[in-house]
This record gives sequence, structure tokens and C-alpha cells, in this order.
Amino acid sequence: EIVLTQSPDFQSVTPKEKVTITCRASQSIGSNLHWYQQRPDQSPKLLIKYASQSVSGVPSRFSGSGSGTDFTLTINSLEAEDAATYYCHQSSSLLHTFGQGTKLEIK
Amino acid sequence: EVQLVESGGGLVKPGGSLRLSCEASGFTFSSYCMNWVRQAPGRGLELVSSISSSSNYIYYANSVKGRFTISRDNAKNSLFLQMNSLRAEDTALYYCAKLGGLVRTDAFDIWGQGTLVTVSS
Repeated sequence: EIVLTQSPDFQSVTPKEKVTITCRASQSIGSNLHWYQQRPDQSPKLLIKYASQSVSGVPSRFSGSGSGTDFTLTINSLEAEDAATYYCHQSSSLLHTFGQGTKLEIK
Repeated sequence: EVQLVESGGGLVKPGGSLRLSCEASGFTFSSYCMNWVRQAPGRGLELVSSISSSSNYIYYANSVKGRFTISRDNAKNSLFLQMNSLRAEDTALYYCAKLGGLVRTDAFDIWGQGTLVTVSS
């Protein structure tokens, strides 16, 4: 099983700040890595696919990078509505796996 | 509007069974791989099972293998999860999720609102 490890687990940030969340895979997964946002009491929402590809309707302040085993989700100029838990997801193996999540609190 | 609506969750005793359903609308259901993803209270996401568009390929997480069965009815735009021999650790919100494209490595682009399964005596 491919294990995804996110860091940090929790981060408290102020509006307009730039945030970086990392996701490390236990083995190379190419670019088969996707990012989701889950606001409290809501379903996950796709933010970035294939490591760096934008998704229609997602604000441009969200971007992704990386390949192989190390990936990054960047949120530029954080807004209050970005308070959520963020998950990475690998689709390289037959049974996909998720990271443990990074909870973002807005001060 | 593209939509997935789950149903069938509830309270069940350990060892019991439940059948979850997911009704799809707004897209060509028969073209896409479909998935069940669960989230235990206060925990992260876990892919439980996947089924290809024509049901040729089916995958299960080790934690549910031999107890859960995924199926679909393309004529009725519906996805199912038969859950037997339920355990306390199966307690979770179960989401139905659509694969975003026709390639196995695609992301999950549409999620339902989830149906809650509680296993407790």
C-alpha cells in the first residue's frame, strides 16, 4: 500500500498569508496526486488534479507542484473561507490512498 | 446538474448487514468508474471499494475484503454497497464518488453528501 504523509497536521494562519502543505509518498507515484478541500460538515471538493493541473471553478490562489514522491499545495493570499481540512490522494496504485489531512485554521 | 445522492445508512448491530445506494444524475453514469469512500468520525478519508464502468474490475480495501460487495446498475444509474458482518470500526460517513475521467488514475471530481453508518450494540 502506498502511504501518503502530509505535513503539517494543523496550521493556524492569518488572512492574506501564503500557506504551503506538503504530501510525501512512500514510493514514486509520478504525477498521480490530487488535492481536495473539505470544509466542516461538507463533502470533499477537488482542488488540484495530477499534481499541478487546475480544476474548473477553483480560485487561482490554489496551486500544486511536485512529482515522484514530494508534492506541495500552495494557497496564496489566504481567505477566511479557506478554513478547512486538506487531503492529498494518490491514484497510482489500483487501490487509491489518501493522506491523513491537514487542518487549516484561520486566526 | 451533476449529482450523487446516497441512501441506506443507519444504526446496525455488530454482525449485521446494510445495503447502501447511490443514485447518479447529470452525467453518463455508465461511462465512469465509481467508488465508495468512507470517513470515520473525526478521521480522514479511506477508499473502500471501486468498480469499473462495466463492472469488469472491482477492488476492495483489505479492511472490508470478504465482507463488502460493490455493484452497479447502469440502466438505473445506481451504485450499491452491500455490507455484511459489520464491525464497530465500520462506523463512518460513506461517500459515493465519481472518477473524473475515463482513466483509472483520475481524481474523484464529484462526491455525494454521504450516508452515515453506525455499528453499535
